[in-house]
Amino acid sequence: QQPVQSPQAVILREGEDAVINCSSSKALYSVHWYRQKHGEAPVFLMILLKGGEQKGHDKISASFNEKKQQSSLYLTASQLSYSGTYFCGTGSSSLRGSTLGRLYFGRGTQLTVWP
Amino acid sequence: GAVVSQHPSRVICKSGTSVKIECRSLDFQATTMFWYRQFPKQSLMLMATSNEGSKATYEQGVEKDKFLINHASLTLSTLTVTSAHPEDSSFYICSARDRDQQFFGPGTRLTVL
Repeated sequence: QQPVQSPQAVILREGEDAVINCSSSKALYSVHWYRQKHGEAPVFLMILLKGGEQKGHDKISASFNEKKQQSSLYLTASQLSYSGTYFCGTGSSSLRGSTLGRLYFGRGTQLTVWP
Repeated sequence: GAVVSQHPSRVICKSGTSVKIECRSLDFQATTMFWYRQFPKQSLMLMATSNEGSKATYEQGVEKDKFLINHASLTLSTLTVTSAHPEDSSFYICSARDRDQQFFGPGTRLTVL
């Protein structure tokens, strides 16, 4: 049930763009994106609930292709503070009627931004 | 935004002892909380779903007798690692569900000697 993230790692210069992909073999109800810095808890970035939905704040945005069972996170004009490991968490459609709301996380994408 | 706390942040114990970790939602009520385990440079592995007033739901492969979960109130869930062994050393993180979102606590680093 674990989604697959790609790439595993990205190294950028400040100001460059990056795309992180998340795909699942199961039908998805929701996709949640988090960023985690070393030794800290994951910080919520955004949630996508509908197929075709796109969201963004600041220079980080995401899209959700429900049909293809995948989501992408877009980081534009990256800043040093964007460094960290990005995780996508996916909620399966099979749990849609359930109150459990369990999420399964990908292995993460390590993003490093250099000055 | 929703705030989740965890206590303790770090614990070192001897093999064979039990350790209790608390997870609290500070500014909202959470009928559902989740417990994850994370090894260095690895993903967050869901261990169990904690439901207020009922038994926890454990993921496949997680020993329910070893990882005791109690969700006594709408703001508190506890995870007790019983008879801890060195292989239980890990970063344990809880999250609390607020509508469709999950908010994570700061995590507890457990080291079993």
